[in-house]
Amino acid sequence: KQEVTQIPAALSVPEGENLVLNCSFTDSAIYNLQWFRQDPGKGLTSLLLIQSSQREQTSGRLNASLDKSSGRSTLYIAASQPGDSATYLCALKGAGSYQLTFGKGTKLSVIP
Amino acid sequence: GAVVSQHPSWVICKSGTSVKIECRSLDFQATTMFWYRQFPKQSLMLMATSNEGSKATYEQGVEKDKFLINHASLTLSTLTVTSAHPEDSSFYICSARGSPTDTQYFGPGTRLTVL
Repeated sequence: KQEVTQIPAALSVPEGENLVLNCSFTDSAIYNLQWFRQDPGKGLTSLLLIQSSQREQTSGRLNASLDKSSGRSTLYIAASQPGDSATYLCALKGAGSYQLTFGKGTKLSVIP
Repeated sequence: GAVVSQHPSWVICKSGTSVKIECRSLDFQATTMFWYRQFPKQSLMLMATSNEGSKATYEQGVEKDKFLINHASLTLSTLTVTSAHPEDSSFYICSARGSPTDTQYFGPGTRLTVL
């Protein structure tokens, strides 16, 4: 059974800092990995999706990497802003399944 | 982009009553819809998967008689929490997938509070 772990559970940084969020998984037989943002009491916003054959994806100040062999993904946020404050979730889709397995998320606070 | 809506966005009910939550795909046909539950500071846990016109597939530990799922059309799925109890209070989120894409589009969620 796939297990997804996100460390740290919470992170507080001053505005302008670059930061890295981590996601690790136990089963490398994945179809893709996705990073989401969730604001308090809200649904999910998809940020980046990395296919299993890809190593990284970039969108604006966000860069996500995937290393299947080590069971790890990172989400890099450059020049953080207070508006980046939210919970970031990673989710994996297994090969041959439509289901997503989520981590518990990292709650990010960017202090002005 | 594809949009998924949920109604209501929040609901408060008395213990023992039933609550229905709707999930709609607004601009695409959803061949598969997923229902998740999220407790505070916890991750999303998949409750069930439903395909249009067929019975839902429930995850282990989810009571199918308590959480009734109907996916009667390609744009609408409903989750009914029957005889709700305070421990059912949670954030319920649906997602929808349209063929042939694998991408799931998530609704904004419904906050259920059972008194």
